[in-house]
Amino acid sequence: NAGVTQTPKFQVLKTGQSMTLQCAQDMNHNSMYWYRQDPGMGLRLIYYSASEGTTDKGEVPNGYNVSRLNKREFSLRLESAAPSQTSVYFCASSDNAGPNEQYFGPGTRLTVT
Amino acid sequence: GESVGLHLPTLSVQEGDNSIINCAYSNSASDYFIWYKQESGKGPQFIIDIRSNMDKRQGQRVTVLLNKTVKHLSLQIAATQPGDSAVYFCAERDTGFQKLVFGTGTRLLVSP
Repeated sequence: NAGVTQTPKFQVLKTGQSMTLQCAQDMNHNSMYWYRQDPGMGLRLIYYSASEGTTDKGEVPNGYNVSRLNKREFSLRLESAAPSQTSVYFCASSDNAGPNEQYFGPGTRLTVT
Repeated sequence: GESVGLHLPTLSVQEGDNSIINCAYSNSASDYFIWYKQESGKGPQFIIDIRSNMDKRQGQRVTVLLNKTVKHLSLQIAATQPGDSAVYFCAERDTGFQKLVFGTGTRLLVSP
């Protein structure tokens, strides 16, 4: 099992450009999450999806959109990137029976210039 | 969310020592408290959790203590090893919600 995979690993954008971060999990988990992590800070939840077909805002959703494409895949879109969105983005998934244990991907390091 | 800026609190220990990492939480309604470990360049990894009706839980080389009176959580690592060097995050969750709220983290440095 690959667990949680994310693409790309690194990305540099110019202000105003758009991009989609991809995430997939092969553990048949119901819930998926997108976090951002800034230097010296913890993880902040952007959006999450408790099941296929549902998405909810987290702590910092402004400037982002998400799509739960199917049970495996959960994408994060930046429509018009801003320097404040420079961060490391992590995708995670969890099973409803064990929501405390989230499985994280390796992260995408995004720089917006 | 809360912020401690760019500098994480750091705990430096010698290999073989016991380590204690502390966390203060704010939400009295949280039902679960969880510890995660994040090694450099990787995503966080689950270590152990504890329900709010418990005050102690043990795992392999780790113990989590919960003091609800002062809203304090700690992670004890026995016989700390260089491989334990990482950033440790506490998190909390309300029953009925899937999402976790993470703290800002503590860096553990273990020297041989």
